[in-house]
Amino acid sequence: ETGVTQSPTHLIKTRGQQVTLRCSSQSGHNTVSWYQQALGQGPQFIFQYYREEENGRGNFPPRFSGLQFPNYSSELNVNALELDDSALYLCASSFIGGGGETQYFGPGTRLLVL
Amino acid sequence: QKEVEQDPGPLSVPEGAIVSLNCTYSNSAFQYFMWYRQYSRKGPELLMYTYSSGNKEDGRFTAQVDKSSKYISLFIRDSQPSDSATYLCAMSANTGNQFYFGTGTSLTVIP
Repeated sequence: ETGVTQSPTHLIKTRGQQVTLRCSSQSGHNTVSWYQQALGQGPQFIFQYYREEENGRGNFPPRFSGLQFPNYSSELNVNALELDDSALYLCASSFIGGGGETQYFGPGTRLLVL
Repeated sequence: QKEVEQDPGPLSVPEGAIVSLNCTYSNSAFQYFMWYRQYSRKGPELLMYTYSSGNKEDGRFTAQVDKSSKYISLFIRDSQPSDSATYLCAMSANTGNQFYFGTGTSLTVIP
């Protein structure tokens, strides 16, 4: 177990709706990254938050947005859901500043858009 | 061209076999190389982490990085049915930076 938790575990939404996914990072970590993993594919980087600021973004449209809170937990918000947004959403926590950082993943939230 | 290429398999081996998993990449800036194991419907679990070129061993697992060829490998010795999972390679240019993943290789170890 990594200590990274995500909620909810599963979610069903309809096209056009909005969704918020939550992540609690591992104790001692200050950075949260979000990834989208479509079925049969590797995770794709959405964005990263460090010290409550966006610290890098992948090739995702602005309707994907996020927040990081002072306790380093994070939210991923997706507006105007599309069918292709159906995927496993993974949160990964890490510590920037100590050298040799790597990312530890939570169990993911499985989103189905109908 | 994708940043990271990985043969999706599936790969099926008998218990006790040596398994070799590989990834190639195109970005010479990558310095950090990881292997993750992902069981069905679970999040990726970190197996190995390597900086720059060379070998790293941890129990039955050995990771190799050849930066001159832009090629990384994971070897699993004495494979067990519990090793049946999808194996993802990942890499990044700087610590704390985004990770680039392969598509994953599905492995089944037959008892």
